[in-house]
Amino acid sequence: SQQGEEDPQALSIQEGENATMNCSYKTSINNLQWYRQNSGRGLVHLILIRSNEREKHSGRLRVTLDTSKKSSSLLITASRAADTASYFCATSRNNDMRFGAGTRLTVKP
Amino acid sequence: EAGVAQSPRYKIIEKRQSVAFWCNPISGHATLYWYQQILGQGPKLLIQFQNNGVVDDSQLPKDRFSAERLKGVDSTLKIQPAKLEDSAVYLCASSPPGQVWYGYTFGSGTRLTVV
Repeated sequence: SQQGEEDPQALSIQEGENATMNCSYKTSINNLQWYRQNSGRGLVHLILIRSNEREKHSGRLRVTLDTSKKSSSLLITASRAADTASYFCATSRNNDMRFGAGTRLTVKP
Repeated sequence: EAGVAQSPRYKIIEKRQSVAFWCNPISGHATLYWYQQILGQGPKLLIQFQNNGVVDDSQLPKDRFSAERLKGVDSTLKIQPAKLEDSAVYLCASSPPGQVWYGYTFGSGTRLTVV
């Protein structure tokens, strides 16, 4: 299975601080994606990084990918209370996407 | 662009009863997925369709779960008979044909409680 594993399982920070979440996976991939899920809601796609890319930015999000270490990180800068959610990495190979267990982020106002 | 539609939003049934969930993907999205998300866990792929054909159903408990996408558009996932451990959120997602460069679009899910 190419399921990603997120670390840490839970993260609590103050508003304005940066949040970093990590994802490790086991097999080769075509791309890696990060999703956000607010409590009781569906998943929202945040950012996709291809296997030949090393870093990608989108607004306050920064994603890195190290295929040699089979790992990725998601950095959220200047966090806001509205960023409170669960964040999942998903590894994709040939249109087959598998999720990790997620990181639960709490941003305190 | 309309999103992925799912219904019902919530369902409570007794064990051994049957239940069905419906999903209408984004227009033009050839690939449709059903995921099961148990509380506190990440989504687990149950089945993947490409148009009306099954691409991957290796994690679908076929003794009780079935899914169809007869006309290559909307899809139905059925559980018969339900067990307590089937309590979860069932998520439907779709993606355009070809490589997934822009991520999947998920519906809001159906929360199933089996009592």
